[in-house]
Amino acid sequence: GENVEQHPSTLSVQEGDSAVIKCTYSDSASNYFPWYKQELGKGPQLIIDIRSNVGEKKDQRIAVTLNKTAKHFSLHITETQPEDSAVYFCAAHHRARGTYKYIFGTGTRLKVLA
Amino acid sequence: EAGVTQFPSHSVIEKGQTVTLRCDPISGHDNLYWYRRVMGKEIKFLLHFVKESKQDESGMPNNRFLAERTGGTYSTLKVQPAELEDSGVYFCASSQSPYEQYFGPGTRLTVT
Repeated sequence: GENVEQHPSTLSVQEGDSAVIKCTYSDSASNYFPWYKQELGKGPQLIIDIRSNVGEKKDQRIAVTLNKTAKHFSLHITETQPEDSAVYFCAAHHRARGTYKYIFGTGTRLKVLA
Repeated sequence: EAGVTQFPSHSVIEKGQTVTLRCDPISGHDNLYWYRRVMGKEIKFLLHFVKESKQDESGMPNNRFLAERTGGTYSTLKVQPAELEDSGVYFCASSQSPYEQYFGPGTRLTVT
């Protein structure tokens, strides 16, 4: 079946440094890639997304890049802050039989050390 | 605008018992999804409603799971009888378009 691989599973960075999380997807027909942030005790929150007709998208300290040929996409967080500590999930939009769903990666636990 | 709400936030039941989870989507969102995350693994798709119709239930583990969406508003997910492997966090999400799904806080289910 379709799957999304996400790396690393855990990531620790010093406050102010950058963090990069990478995902690879298998369904070449996927055309939408959201990133979610899940804080303790809360549900996943959509923080940024990218569509397949765009190579990069930026929103303040967060950016996402997409390489459709290689089927890779990445989340970049610059100038990390303690409040960025959370579990981050990537997902690929999968369409089949007239319906659609997300295929998620396994998550990355990011710790920003003050 | 209120977000997706789920009830209860936690549920602890014994093997063989029945549990019903509820999800209230964002008002006006025709698409409603159920997902589950088992400890340390990915968030896995269970099923997708469009209004009151099940569009895709390919992710439902087995016939012990029953989802309904009466009148195209809130949805319930019933597990009967519950087994140990059903433990996990059950998320509901809703969307207006095929994209941008908004998630609820989840229900943590523990089967002992």
